[in-house]
Amino acid sequence: GQNIDQPTEMTATEGAIVQINCTYQTSGFNGLFWYQQHAGEAPTFLSYNVLDGLEEKGRFSSFLSRSKGYSYLLLKELQMKDSASYLCAVVTTDSWGKLQFGAGTQVVVTP
Amino acid sequence: DVKVTQSSRYLVKRTGEKVFLECVQDMDHENMFWYRQDPGLGLRLIYFSYDVKMKEKGDIPEGYSVSREKKERFSLILESASTNQTSMYLCASSFPRVAGGYEQYFGPGTRLTVT
Repeated sequence: GQNIDQPTEMTATEGAIVQINCTYQTSGFNGLFWYQQHAGEAPTFLSYNVLDGLEEKGRFSSFLSRSKGYSYLLLKELQMKDSASYLCAVVTTDSWGKLQFGAGTQVVVTP
Repeated sequence: DVKVTQSSRYLVKRTGEKVFLECVQDMDHENMFWYRQDPGLGLRLIYFSYDVKMKEKGDIPEGYSVSREKKERFSLILESASTNQTSMYLCASSFPRVAGGYEQYFGPGTRLTVT
């Protein structure tokens, strides 16, 4: 099986930066996804990393270190609409594209 | 745009009832999934299907079954609903990305309450 750990909740103020960490233990690692989920809505895709390094997409960046089993999602210039749950999910080579999700990190952005 | 739809947003059923949750995707994806989502536990895979009439158990299949008679439709069946099946149910479909991996698209979810 896989262990995927991420903090339960983080709070930050509007305009600030928040970094959400995700650690995983798995065999046959084939990539890591970050999804955003607003309350009562479906998760939506944010990023995918399979190689080490940083992927930047506007205000959001995602980093992966395969050797450390570690990823983070960086949210810059926080806006109120960024208040949501952020889900880390791992895919393995033998999984038919199945994702194993962490429990999610609730980010609360305050004025 | 990929669209994944689920038959109901909210559903209330009684203990012992047979419950059908329907999911339809319009992008010809081969893989489809059913998850339940509970506070503090995240998304847990119930069943998935990688082709018509093909299904595989996920992490928590007990008390559930599935049906995939057509490529676009994947149904989740609660044979005899119980109160511990009160949850948010999310359907997803996926395709292989050019950049690698399989990106999953989710439906809006069905919040099921079993009383």
